[in-house]
Amino acid sequence: AQKVTQAQTEISVVEKEDVTLDCVYETRDTTYYLFWYKQPPSGELVFLIRRNSFDEQNEISGRYSWNFQKSTSSFNFTITASQVVDSAVYFCAPKTGTASKLTFGTGTRLQVTL
Amino acid sequence: ETGVTQTPRHLVMGMTNKKSLKCEQHLGHNAMYWYKQSAKKPLELMFVYNFKEQTENNSVPSRFSPECPNSSHLFLHLHTLQPEDSALYLCASSQDRRRWDGYTFGSGTRLTVV
Repeated sequence: AQKVTQAQTEISVVEKEDVTLDCVYETRDTTYYLFWYKQPPSGELVFLIRRNSFDEQNEISGRYSWNFQKSTSSFNFTITASQVVDSAVYFCAPKTGTASKLTFGTGTRLQVTL
Repeated sequence: ETGVTQTPRHLVMGMTNKKSLKCEQHLGHNAMYWYKQSAKKPLELMFVYNFKEQTENNSVPSRFSPECPNSSHLFLHLHTLQPEDSALYLCASSQDRRRWDGYTFGSGTRLTVV
């Protein structure tokens, strides 16, 4: 079984601040994938990134960056110079096994204000 | 425009009503999923279909009845619901059920049971 913990329930920042969303996961599998999704007020979950367990290189995509630390089972997400449009609920989700499914935690609600 | 379309976007129904939620994807995906999202709870996976066959039912009450006539369409038939069934119901699809496949989500149906 897999489990994910996003300890930050809500974060509020002022525009242009950097913010890091934490994600800690549990799995007994050695091969697995980790995903981040964004859920804006409109409701749909939007795919942000997929990372496999063998690739520990950090990834940067524009203002977004991800820090994968296999030793601590963490896959944290940083938004640099946050913008109001970043306001959403963000979900980290592990996926393991051959007939796998995405397991979601409760997510982190990010509120970016002017 | 999302690749997964859900209708209706909003639904209010009485406890004695019968209604259906519809999900449609034209992404060529073979797996489809129903998730329930209640306030302050993790997304709950309800049903999984792979190549039109139901492969998972996570102890969902029988008042929820899924139907998958083909790989592009997924329905959730509702009858004699309870107020606690009010939630956002999200449909998702993926190419397959391999561990590296991410899901594409619809915008959801916001269901209110009165």
